[in-house]
Amino acid sequence: DTGVSQDPRHKITKRGQNVTFRCDPISEHNRLYWYRQTLGQGPEFLTYFQNEAQLEKSRLLSDRFSAERPKGSFSTLEIQRTEQGDSAMYLCASSLAGSGYQRNTGELFFGEGSRLTVL
Amino acid sequence: SQQGEEDPQALSIQEGENATMNCSYKTSINNLQWYRQNSGRGLVHLILIRSNEREKHSGRLRVTLDTSKKSSSLLITASRAADTASYFCATDIQGGKLIFGQGTELSVKP
Repeated sequence: DTGVSQDPRHKITKRGQNVTFRCDPISEHNRLYWYRQTLGQGPEFLTYFQNEAQLEKSRLLSDRFSAERPKGSFSTLEIQRTEQGDSAMYLCASSLAGSGYQRNTGELFFGEGSRLTVL
Repeated sequence: SQQGEEDPQALSIQEGENATMNCSYKTSINNLQWYRQNSGRGLVHLILIRSNEREKHSGRLRVTLDTSKKSSSLLITASRAADTASYFCATDIQGGKLIFGQGTELSVKP
């Protein structure tokens, strides 16, 4: 399977602990996105990368959140000092973007998500 | 912040009927996309319509876009129980970053 993979799929933690999620995008994709989704809502944009450069961070991404894509391949999203309000599904997506790419369709390919529960 | 507003929030129909979902947005867009999400799963891309297009078809899906009204609709014809899912519109306003709506929860009863 060469789709987007996320790990872990489920994480239960206690308030105040740190958690880290990993995303492996489709190998030839240069863009990687993180979204957060709570029950009954649409995905909310958090941040995205083009190769290893972080292009934008949402105001939703407080200083407790940090995302990296060190070699332009996989990405990690770390949440420090978790709070109950951080409980959500964290979705990763990748895409092929930029001029000159014949297969640049504009669509995002999503992983199955990492569900975080903070007790 | 959410760019899209979707209507209705929930829709329940019988198998074989058509389902129509609407999406309104606030700012100019490069393209608008529709995604489907089964409960507890990731999102799957359905169809993309560019700002200079008015209508697009893909199988049982028909999407329209009215940029003057900043609105789009997704029509699923001859619905099946397997179409039961949440459907989201998403707008590309900044070259690749998508902003999603709140979604329509579709239930198709056999």
